[in-house]
Amino acid sequence: ILNVEQSPQSLHVQEGDSTNFTCSFPSSNFYALHWYRWETAKSPEALFVMTLNGDEKKKGRISATLNTKEGYSYLYIKGSQPEDSATYLCAFDYGQNFVFGPGTRLSVLP
Amino acid sequence: DTGVSQDPRHKITKRGQNVTFRCDPISEHNRLYWYRQTLGQGPEFLTYFQNEAQLEKSRLLSDRFSAERPKGSFSTLEIQRTEQGDSAMYLCASSFLATGELFFGEGSRLTVL
Repeated sequence: ILNVEQSPQSLHVQEGDSTNFTCSFPSSNFYALHWYRWETAKSPEALFVMTLNGDEKKKGRISATLNTKEGYSYLYIKGSQPEDSATYLCAFDYGQNFVFGPGTRLSVLP
Repeated sequence: DTGVSQDPRHKITKRGQNVTFRCDPISEHNRLYWYRQTLGQGPEFLTYFQNEAQLEKSRLLSDRFSAERPKGSFSTLEIQRTEQGDSAMYLCASSFLATGELFFGEGSRLTVL
């Protein structure tokens, strides 16, 4: 059974703080690692799809890194804003299907 | 709107009743996935289709669950003889490539009384 873990489970930060989350996944049979943002009452939305070891991607204040050999990815948010409040999901793609982690729930307090 | 749409958005039913959810994916997407999400958990895989073929079905899925994707377009997920443990958010997602990003619908929330 493939297991994907995320930490922390939840996080409360003040507006302007920078924060980061971790996603751990199996290091074998790796095809891609996805990050999704899921805001309340909306559908999950893709942030990044990462395939190469050492890959780094950035979208505005959000960036992510990938280490496929040790099986982890970090998501960073610089200068958190209230609109960043959401659940951040990572999904491990092993070529046939996806396994999602339980998510990190971020609350950014104004 | 050309995104993934799901219907109904909310369904309340009594235990023992059958329910059916519909998903309309993005038209050019050949893969369609069904996931179930409960409070505090990530989306749990149920089944997926490539075009009209159902390629994989979770072992966690009981025989009460069935999914179809006739003609490789929309899909339906039926739950027969619902139980209280079936209460969850049922998410549909589609993608163009096997490992492409998923585009999700807003989900169908099921409450079984």
